[in-house]
Amino acid sequence: DAGVTQSPTHLIKTRGQHVTLRCSPISGHKSVSWYQQVLGQGPQFIFQYYEKEERGRGNFPDRFSARQFPNYSSELNVNALLLGDSALYLCASSSGTAPATNEKLFFGSGTQLSVL
Amino acid sequence: GENVEQHPSTLSVQEGDSAVIKCTYSDSASNYFPWYKQELGKRPQLIIDIRSNVGEKKDQRIAVTLNKTAKHFSLHITETQPEDSAVYFCAATDYSSASKIIFGSGTRLSIRP
Repeated sequence: DAGVTQSPTHLIKTRGQHVTLRCSPISGHKSVSWYQQVLGQGPQFIFQYYEKEERGRGNFPDRFSARQFPNYSSELNVNALLLGDSALYLCASSSGTAPATNEKLFFGSGTQLSVL
Repeated sequence: GENVEQHPSTLSVQEGDSAVIKCTYSDSASNYFPWYKQELGKRPQLIIDIRSNVGEKKDQRIAVTLNKTAKHFSLHITETQPEDSAVYFCAATDYSSASKIIFGSGTRLSIRP
């Protein structure tokens, strides 16, 4: 039974470029959330999508955007990359709009983004 | 919005001893408190969670306690083993945006042989 899968695992970009990160949730899960984890800190919430609609947004600039596809997979896009965007980007899936309901969040292994 | 503080930032205990990690939260409306374990280079894994309608929950060597009045919750690991070495994160819901989990800054736990 596959867990949450993310691609790519590592990525190196330069300032000003854009990046697209991908996530496939656990089979049967309809919700995907994105988190940014800077080295030495806890994950910070970026977005949640449920049934292809945005259900929550964290305190991130408009350079960050996301979408969810009919098969419930998701993309996170970041434009005009800054050095400070270097981080581990984690995707998490749940069957519903966790944690508001009784579902739990399950994380993928993340995409390590380095901006030079 | 919700703010979660976690202490200590690093913790070293002798194998077999107990470890305690403490967190406080600011939003009295929060009612779900998960704990995640993250080994180096790996994904955060949910190890235990507690909801505000209970004060304590235990799963083998791991227990979590919640004091809603004081807005404190703690993770207790007994009979620590080398494989317990990892970074542990506490977290709480932010009910201004029910989809959001607010994480603490993490505790790096090291188990000394």
